Parts: sequence; structure tokens; C-alpha cells
Amino acid sequence: KAGVTQTPRYLIKTRGQQVTLSCSPISGHRSVSWYQQTPGQGLQFLFEYFSETQRNKGNFPGRFSGRQFSNSRSEMNVSTLELGDSALYLCASSAGQGPGTEAFFGQGTRLTVV
Amino acid sequence: AQTVTQSQPEMSVQEAETVTLSCTYDTSENNYYLFWYKQPPSRQMILVIRQEAYKQQNATENRFSVNFQKAAKSFSLKISDSQLGDTAMYFCAFMKQRGGATNKLIFGTGTLLAVQP
Repeated sequence: KAGVTQTPRYLIKTRGQQVTLSCSPISGHRSVSWYQQTPGQGLQFLFEYFSETQRNKGNFPGRFSGRQFSNSRSEMNVSTLELGDSALYLCASSAGQGPGTEAFFGQGTRLTVV
Repeated sequence: AQTVTQSQPEMSVQEAETVTLSCTYDTSENNYYLFWYKQPPSRQMILVIRQEAYKQQNATENRFSVNFQKAAKSFSLKISDSQLGDTAMYFCAFMKQRGGATNKLIFGTGTLLAVQP
């Protein structure tokens, strides 16, 4: 069974640009969550999608957005990039609708904003 | 709001020895889940162990076990017979139990564990 796949693995963008990151969850998983990991702020929750609906959102500005497709694949978009957006972005998928089910993580996308 | 605190930024242990990583949390919830995740240099987060707050029995998973003290809001991880492959960043995480509302994890700042040969 394939794991969570995130693409691309590495990305370098210029301030002001926008970026789209992709996450393919484990087959059959309907919940996809996104996290930002930085040395200063640690791991912070961005948002969660379940069956194409956003059901929770973290404290990030509106420049951060996401969506989920009918096949459960998810994308997150960051517009008007800032230097502080440089981070490892992790995606996690879960099988169940209820909380407590194991979250399986991808290897992340390392975004560098210059 | 829930918070998770890991007070040990770095720890070191000799191979085959036992080490305990600390985690405390703050919540007004009565029902929740607690997790320990491992993040090796490959960056992929891997679940180590999970504890349901309503269960009094401490979870164990092979060489990994927890000491869950609900009243003290403490959730420590014990690694027995440490192996070189245990070298990684370890994160303690909290998740509310709220009937399907969310799978949101709240993470601590992590403890970098180095297993020495």
C-alpha cells in the first residue's frame, strides 16, 4: 500500500510569488491535514479537509489556502510569498472520520523563499 | 486552548540503555488522545505510540511504553534497549476527542534524542 505522497520534495520561490503543494493520501483515506514546520514555531496546524470540505483551520493568514478533490488528493496554496513562509510543509492522511485515528505523514515539501 | 510542553530539547543515551522523554500538556477537555511521533532525518513523521485518555492502562508498543498521569497532565515516553535507529526528533502530540469534528494534532516543540554507540 503506497504511503502519503507529497510533491514536490523541494521548492525554491521568490518573494511575492505563489506556490502550490500537492498531497496524495493513502488510498481510502478521506481526511487530509496540513502542517507547517519551522525551527522557530515548531509544528503548526494549517487546515484539515474531509470529503472535500474544510472542517478545521489553524491561525494562518488568508494567503494560505487549500482544497481537496473528489479522489481525496489535496493541494495547498500560498500566495504572495514572504521570507517567513520558508518551512517544511507536512501532509497527513487519516482513514477514519473520528478523532484518534492514526495520522500517516508524507515526507514533506521543503519550501525556501528567497 | 490546549498546549503541549516538552522541556528537554535534547537528550543522549547509550545504546541498549533506557531513556525517558517528558511531556506535559494543558487542557480542559476530559476526553482526548495523546501521541508520540518520531521524526528521523528522513523527515517522515512516524507514529510511535498512542494513548486514549479514558484508558487508565499505560500503552506499550514493543520497546516503547508511556507513563500517563491524567491528573498531573503528564505523558512521558520510555524507550528500553535503545537502538541506533531510535536517533530522531520525538514529538508529543494532543488531539481532542470530539465526535468526529477534527483530526487536528497539537504538537510539542520536540526532543532530539541521540543514541550513542
